[in-house]
Amino acid sequence: GEDVEQSLFLSVREGDSSVINCTYTDSSSTYLYWYKQEPGAGLQLLTYIFSNMDMKQDQRLTVLLNKKDKHLSLRIADTQTGDSAIYFCAREIPSGSARQLTFGSGTQLTVLP
Amino acid sequence: DTGVSQDPRHKITKRGQNVTFRCDPISEHNRLYWYRQTLGQGPEFLTYFQNEAQLEKSRLLSDRFSAERPKGSFSTLEIQRTEQGDSAMYLCAVLRSNTGELFFGEGSRLTVL
Repeated sequence: GEDVEQSLFLSVREGDSSVINCTYTDSSSTYLYWYKQEPGAGLQLLTYIFSNMDMKQDQRLTVLLNKKDKHLSLRIADTQTGDSAIYFCAREIPSGSARQLTFGSGTQLTVLP
Repeated sequence: DTGVSQDPRHKITKRGQNVTFRCDPISEHNRLYWYRQTLGQGPEFLTYFQNEAQLEKSRLLSDRFSAERPKGSFSTLEIQRTEQGDSAMYLCAVLRSNTGELFFGEGSRLTVL
């Protein structure tokens, strides 16, 4: 989706922290999501944050939301080789009764040994 | 359990043929979604069902596409007279009503030759 943008690639060393960034243009989102997709697989929901929150932590994952700058980030602590995948940022768009999501194009995370 | 089973996982067809994909949520979910993901992109919303009623359709869903959910459980997505541009991963998702999370199946990959 053009209104959700992510950088295409990120490489980190195993054990380091990864920070994947996402910007969006429409501030009417209610929920913002991070999904993980491994090769040939569907999307795995990692975490989500409600738009009235600034931060959410879940084990190795920390989501930061800056509503003023329309910026969302996902920090993965102690990155492992199993974290190598494509990470999608998505925002929920108000659309009648549906819970439609608009996705970014994904960030390919490569974890180097 | 919020698992979603999709079948077939991969379909190769010749241009002009019809194809049908099936989505089976493991447990009852009122809301069921179809998304399409082309190579290098994030998923894009196609259509949404509330029980057996198809409530919203994206402009991406041309007349050659039809989706049904006859008993409010499984759903099918049919593409008639396939074109090479239909090559994509077709993802089914269900809404987990107690948390509002959208869970995706592993997708059906379509290759149109």
